[in-house]
Amino acid sequence: RKEVEQDPGPFNVPEGATVAFNCTYSNSASQSFFWYRQDCRKEPKLLMSVYSSGNEDGRFTAQLNRASQYISLLIRDSKLSDSATYLCVVTMDTGRRALTFGSGTRLQVQP
Amino acid sequence: EAGVAQSPRYKIIEKRQSVAFWCNPISGHATLYWYQQILGQGPKLLIQFQNNGVVDDSQLPKDRFSAERLKGVDSTLKIQPAKLEDSAVYLCASSSDYRSTYNEQFFGPGTRLTVL
Repeated sequence: RKEVEQDPGPFNVPEGATVAFNCTYSNSASQSFFWYRQDCRKEPKLLMSVYSSGNEDGRFTAQLNRASQYISLLIRDSKLSDSATYLCVVTMDTGRRALTFGSGTRLQVQP
Repeated sequence: EAGVAQSPRYKIIEKRQSVAFWCNPISGHATLYWYQQILGQGPKLLIQFQNNGVVDDSQLPKDRFSAERLKGVDSTLKIQPAKLEDSAVYLCASSSDYRSTYNEQFFGPGTRLTVL
């Protein structure tokens, strides 16, 4: 079983749509959680951290359910510029704080 | 502020050849990481440095891969000899200090390696 699992997609949605991505992680001792965005042939960039209480940044909302080991990302009012791969990331080790990435979910927003 | 620099951006080699990648982290960042990203997958950590010491190299295939950060600033990653399955993007990242509460990693543009 992969340490971090995501639906690879692609998710094809029209502009203005709301889209949600889910992610599950295998290690209940995971400490920190993030969503990264990666544009085609570019490097990953931090989109947002994910907290137990849930957090929102503009059109983006991230939630964490530790009991179910589940992380979600909701994008409202999708823009063409949101087209990218969204990587779910956890830290498995409190010592090294190494990032463990999922394989990513590809989003294509269409006009 | 300058970002993480990597070179070369692209490299094509034949199997069994050697190749080296270079990374210059953001100034003042103590922690440096090398990741391998195979097409269709997320990045996988190969090695993590803190200044000039290795924090974690458990996923580095040490029979063919080596990395160093001798002066605690820039770093090189070498593959010798290369195999077809080494074709990937090699990403370098840096952070201020992995022991900090907030430890955002910043990635360089990567080196795209093709092994023929």
